[in-house]
Amino acid sequence: GENVEQHPSTLSVQEGDSAVIKCTYSDSASNYFPWYKQELGKRPQLIIDIRSNVGEKKDQRIAVTLNKTAKHFSLHITETQPEDSAVYFCAACSGNTPLVFGKGTRLSVIA
Amino acid sequence: DAGVTQSPTHLIKTRGQHVTLRCSPISGHKSVSWYQQVLGQGPQFIFQYYEKEERGRGNFPDRFSARQFPNYSSELNVNALLLGDSALYLCASSWGGSSYEQYFGPGTRLTVT
Repeated sequence: GENVEQHPSTLSVQEGDSAVIKCTYSDSASNYFPWYKQELGKRPQLIIDIRSNVGEKKDQRIAVTLNKTAKHFSLHITETQPEDSAVYFCAACSGNTPLVFGKGTRLSVIA
Repeated sequence: DAGVTQSPTHLIKTRGQHVTLRCSPISGHKSVSWYQQVLGQGPQFIFQYYEKEERGRGNFPDRFSARQFPNYSSELNVNALLLGDSALYLCASSWGGSSYEQYFGPGTRLTVT
């Protein structure tokens, strides 16, 4: 089955700097890669996703890149703000298999 | 907006008891998936239901069961509770029967003592 590894487990950045979180997956059949943001005590929130027919996707300050050959994908947050502080989870699946999540990255944005 | 709702918010049970958790999906969504999230970990898949049929089951014991109703709401049942069942139980809904674009509810925090 699918296995998703996520790094780093914790990340601290200064406000205004960029943050990058990386994930690798094992199943070459996986074709959908979402990212979720979970604030303390809140639900995981889908913030961006990418499908395997696309190499990069952007939404304002957030971007995700996918390298199918290397089986890794990354989340990029630019101009970080204190409200970006949360735990971020990557996940992977094909359409017919369950979402498999990474263990999460705790991002702290220091004002 | 009417997002995914779950009840109850918190629950405290004793070992050996039974628990039922409930989920209502986003209007128009026909699929519900259940996840267990242990502190410090990512959500782990338990079940997916689509059009009232089980579409997938994760690596959980038979003490865990679920069902989906004609209105697409769902219940997760756990029998013979163990201390290790203490976790946040999340429900996610999506429009079709795939695993794409799942939106989570706020979860039910289950504590087993």
